[in-house]
Amino acid sequence: KQEVTQIPAALSVPEGENLVLNCSFTDSAIYNLQWFRQDPGKGLTSLLLIQSSQREQTSGRLNASLDKSSGRSTLYIAASQPGDSATYLCAVSGGSYIPTFGRGTSLIVHP
Amino acid sequence: EAQVTQNPRYLITVTGKKLTVTCSQNMNHEYMSWYRQDPGLGLRQIYYSMNVEVTDKGDVPEGYKVSRKEKRNFPLILESPSPNQTSLYFCASSHGQGRRGQFFGPGTRLTVL
Repeated sequence: KQEVTQIPAALSVPEGENLVLNCSFTDSAIYNLQWFRQDPGKGLTSLLLIQSSQREQTSGRLNASLDKSSGRSTLYIAASQPGDSATYLCAVSGGSYIPTFGRGTSLIVHP
Repeated sequence: EAQVTQNPRYLITVTGKKLTVTCSQNMNHEYMSWYRQDPGLGLRQIYYSMNVEVTDKGDVPEGYKVSRKEKRNFPLILESPSPNQTSLYFCASSHGQGRRGQFFGPGTRLTVL
């Protein structure tokens, strides 16, 4: 059964720092990996989707990489801002119809 | 605008009173699913549907029912809600097996007293 782990569980950084969030998964037979942002009590907003054949995706200050063979993905946030404060979730989709989510990384960017 | 909608957004009810949370998507997605999110437990899938009249259990289906009579709608039914079903519920949809990623609704905050 696929297991997805996100490290760290929580992160607090000063504004302006570049930071990396990690996501690891146990079964490399995946279709894609998706990063989401969730604000407290709100829905999930898709940030980046990486197909299994891709190595990375970029959107603005965000860059996500995927290394299927090692079962890892990273989300890089450049020049962090207080508005980036949220929980970041990764989800892996594979052969079953049940995507597997990590528990998330709770990020606080303080001014 | 492409979106997944859920209603109601907030609901407080009492134990045993049947309720339905509606979910609708306008993207012609085949695949729809329901999740619940609880502190410390993350997102857990309740039920999913691969297409009309095709549904299957997720990780935590006990106490829930679903139906998929139309492609765009996937209601979640709690026949006899209990306090342990107090949670934040999300509906999601995608093409096929999520190869183009999943789209989530805004969530329904349910409290069962």
